[in-house]
Amino acid sequence: QVQLVQSGAEVKKPGSSVKVSCKASGDTFSNYALSWVRQAPGQGLEWMGAIIPMFGTSNYAQKFQGRVTIIADESTSTVYMEMSSLRSDDTAMYYCARLVLGYSSSFRYFDLWGRGTLVAVSS
Amino acid sequence: DIQMTQSPSSLSASVGDRVTITCQASQDITNYLNWYQQKPGEAPKLLIYDASNLETGVPSRFSGSGSGTDFSLTISRLQPEDIATYYCQQYDDSPLTFGGGTKVEI
Repeated sequence: QVQLVQSGAEVKKPGSSVKVSCKASGDTFSNYALSWVRQAPGQGLEWMGAIIPMFGTSNYAQKFQGRVTIIADESTSTVYMEMSSLRSDDTAMYYCARLVLGYSSSFRYFDLWGRGTLVAVSS
Repeated sequence: DIQMTQSPSSLSASVGDRVTITCQASQDITNYLNWYQQKPGEAPKLLIYDASNLETGVPSRFSGSGSGTDFSLTISRLQPEDIATYYCQQYDDSPLTFGGGTKVEI
């Protein structure tokens, strides 16, 4: 069964960094992009960025540019999202989601989601 | 960034009712619009892609329509298991953006 398995919950101090992992199965690394979407408590969905593992190229929302890094390890079919300079308003559920690609490797839709990783930022 | 505006933000309906949720984009996105369902405590799930294509395994009571800036998601006969929050999402331009969500209650 194709799935995305995310790492466990994290509790971090303001100003620190967090690194969340997402292990993919099946042909995900060969034919899709992998993306991170976060959801603050009681709020909506916010796209952070994505990576196309077969090209090694990353794309970030402007809001997260410079503070978030998304990398892919093809040897283990795992994608990582690292966020630095954490603040209390970064407290959220972070979802790894598979992105179906379209023409010229454009992003289309999220067809598979991980269960989410809760990151809590508190002093 | 392309802004996605959903309405209503919440609604209450009865089992068997026809329910329609709308999503408006701040600019023309042709048909580059998807719909997701998120049940409490769960990850979102894809329902509709490219404005009107039903994802495999999704019940046929769900349908999507629209193009340009105005889109809608319709549940033809609401079922108890449809209690969830629904989100639209555009992919015409980066960053990918979501609507604010519509919470459906019975």
